[in-house]
Amino acid sequence: AQKITQTQPGMFVQEKEAVTLDCTYDTSDQSYGLFWYKQPSSGEMIFLIYQGSYDEQNATEGRYSLNFQKARKSANLVISASQLGDSAMYFCAMREIYSGAGSYQLTFGKGTKLSVIP
Amino acid sequence: DADVTQTPRNRITKTGKRIMLECSQTKGHDRMYWYRQDPGLGLRLIYYSFDVKDINKGEISDGYSVSRQAQAKFSLSLESAIPNQTALYFCATSDLLQGKTGELFFGEGSRLTVL
Repeated sequence: AQKITQTQPGMFVQEKEAVTLDCTYDTSDQSYGLFWYKQPSSGEMIFLIYQGSYDEQNATEGRYSLNFQKARKSANLVISASQLGDSAMYFCAMREIYSGAGSYQLTFGKGTKLSVIP
Repeated sequence: DADVTQTPRNRITKTGKRIMLECSQTKGHDRMYWYRQDPGLGLRLIYYSFDVKDINKGEISDGYSVSRQAQAKFSLSLESAIPNQTALYFCATSDLLQGKTGELFFGEGSRLTVL
């Protein structure tokens, strides 16, 4: 089974609107971390936001917020007031902290391509 | 200058050739990783190293080898390249000191085409 599932291969959003990118994860660990990265067309990977499994508050970083629903194992990224520069691939990733030999690695989803329409 | 530097940035080669992708970092991190990105598949881990004497296989290590020459240098080799190794390759580092998130810091990527 996939550890990270991003069910939206592509999304469109109107400029200045908010958009939610979905991410669900699968782990039996109690301690883990969830990340979102942005990859613009230029190819670099840009870290956006982090949520720890024990964090009680949803993470926020400027226009980015992470809607963390632990019981549902979802970690959706919300981008408010979309800008043209938000057009990019977005990857959700998870780090399982106490999973033995695989600990501390990040496992990535397949990504969602977001296109912001003027 | 980038904190994580990959060379070459682009390479076209032929089937059967040996290729080395190099990665150097100035972040002082112990942990280094090589990922491969294919369209529609996301990023998949090839190898990772937690220090100079520690090398571990990732999800898709077949056909690849690595060398950790120093704390700051981690190279990926394709001994005999094949077309399905055409991909975008990323080197990354992380720091897991207590209190840090363990986020990955990526290089700019190396685009490899095997003809």
